[in-house]
Amino acid sequence: DTAVSQTPKYLVTQMGNDKSIKCEQNLGHDTMYWYKQDSKKFLKIMFSYNNKELIINETVPNRFSPKSPDKAHLNLHINSLELGDSAVYFCASSQERSAISNQPQHFGDGTRLSIL
Amino acid sequence: AQSVTQLDSQVPVFEEAPVELRCNYSSSVSVYLFWYVQYPNQGLQLLLKYLSGSTLVKGINGFEAEFNKSQTSFHLRKPSVHISDTAEYFCAVSDTGGGNKLTFGTGTQLKVEL
Repeated sequence: DTAVSQTPKYLVTQMGNDKSIKCEQNLGHDTMYWYKQDSKKFLKIMFSYNNKELIINETVPNRFSPKSPDKAHLNLHINSLELGDSAVYFCASSQERSAISNQPQHFGDGTRLSIL
Repeated sequence: AQSVTQLDSQVPVFEEAPVELRCNYSSSVSVYLFWYVQYPNQGLQLLLKYLSGSTLVKGINGFEAEFNKSQTSFHLRKPSVHISDTAEYFCAVSDTGGGNKLTFGTGTQLKVEL
């Protein structure tokens, strides 16, 4: 009954490869996010989708491409992996923001990506 | 744009002692404020949030935080910590105007010792 689930949990791969990380939420939320946490534990948002529409796109190399087939899924595809891509990637979801209250984001357990 | 400063990267404390984790923010617009906790090898979990109203906010696991607008601070406190509180704590802000973009601080590692 995991609310936000990411697969795989660990991903070890060679430089130059292409890989995907999948994320699914069963909370009925409208909005999903991808964050990157570096080795110093600094968390930064990468993308956000609302009802399959891209609403936040931070300064991220275009090797990173999010894809949302439906509002319960937001996958992250990374082309031509580089050493600097090693990090923990977190998926999150929330209800669409309202003018009255800011809905909290629910996070998955993360995908630990290591580039050799 | 907003920024969040967590001055203490690590805070060691003995079990049953009180603790305060500091958070200061900078923003040209009104903000919402959050504290999240990250246990080892897990994602982030919301501890508490300030949206409006009372400046003292109570959260889960006995934590509370106080919003101080004049000092642009949102410090997290617990009167008596447990070993199980050992984790990384993140302060975050988002603007009230639209979207739902969280800006995080660099985190504070709370280490509770016997």
